[in-house]
Amino acid sequence: GAGVSQSPRYKVAKRGQDVALRCDPISGHVSLFWYQQALGQGPEFLTYFQNEAQLDKSGLPSDRFFAERPEGSVSTLKIQRTQQEDSAVYLCASSLVAQGAWDEQYFGPGTRLTVT
Amino acid sequence: AQKVTQAQTEISVVEKEDVTLDCVYETRDTTYYLFWYKQPPSGELVFLIRRNSFDEQNEISGRYSWNFQKSTSSFNFTITASQVVDSAVYFCALSVPGGSARQLTFGSGTQLTVLP
Repeated sequence: GAGVSQSPRYKVAKRGQDVALRCDPISGHVSLFWYQQALGQGPEFLTYFQNEAQLDKSGLPSDRFFAERPEGSVSTLKIQRTQQEDSAVYLCASSLVAQGAWDEQYFGPGTRLTVT
Repeated sequence: AQKVTQAQTEISVVEKEDVTLDCVYETRDTTYYLFWYKQPPSGELVFLIRRNSFDEQNEISGRYSWNFQKSTSSFNFTITASQVVDSAVYFCALSVPGGSARQLTFGSGTQLTVLP
């Protein structure tokens, strides 16, 4: 079946531009996560949704970062006034259940954002 | 707070050699879950295994095996008779239940290169 998809796969933005990154999770998956992966590093947690509710946004690095999942399926990560330090791969993951620290997360291919 | 350390940044082996990837974790929780993910050049993280903190049994799956030792807070991963297709970045990760803390805490990864 279809896995997690993300679009665009690559995005180049000039400093100061706003960007929107899309995530289509696996159908029926309750939980959705966003991670940021800097070059040569492991993914770092940004935010977590359970259906449409954003239960944890403790990892968002600044108020320029905003995420939503209005209907409990597709999610968008928006970055306003992009800075060079925002350059990274943004990974989306989904899992079947809520409250599931045990649950396997399925990852998308990521969006590579380059801010020039 | 949780922390995962993968001290080996890069490992290079010749095909058919055995290789062990180290993972050391830190958490104050008595219940926790450990994961290994593989990230091939395509970028998509692929789930390999998970263990819970109450199950220290080692596990073998084909050429892959995992050694979980709570006494040393380690969860090491061994590939036997490595193959070129094993070349990838491997991440160890940790999650804990409770509250909204369902996110994975990743190590910085080990780049494994298997030479023909």
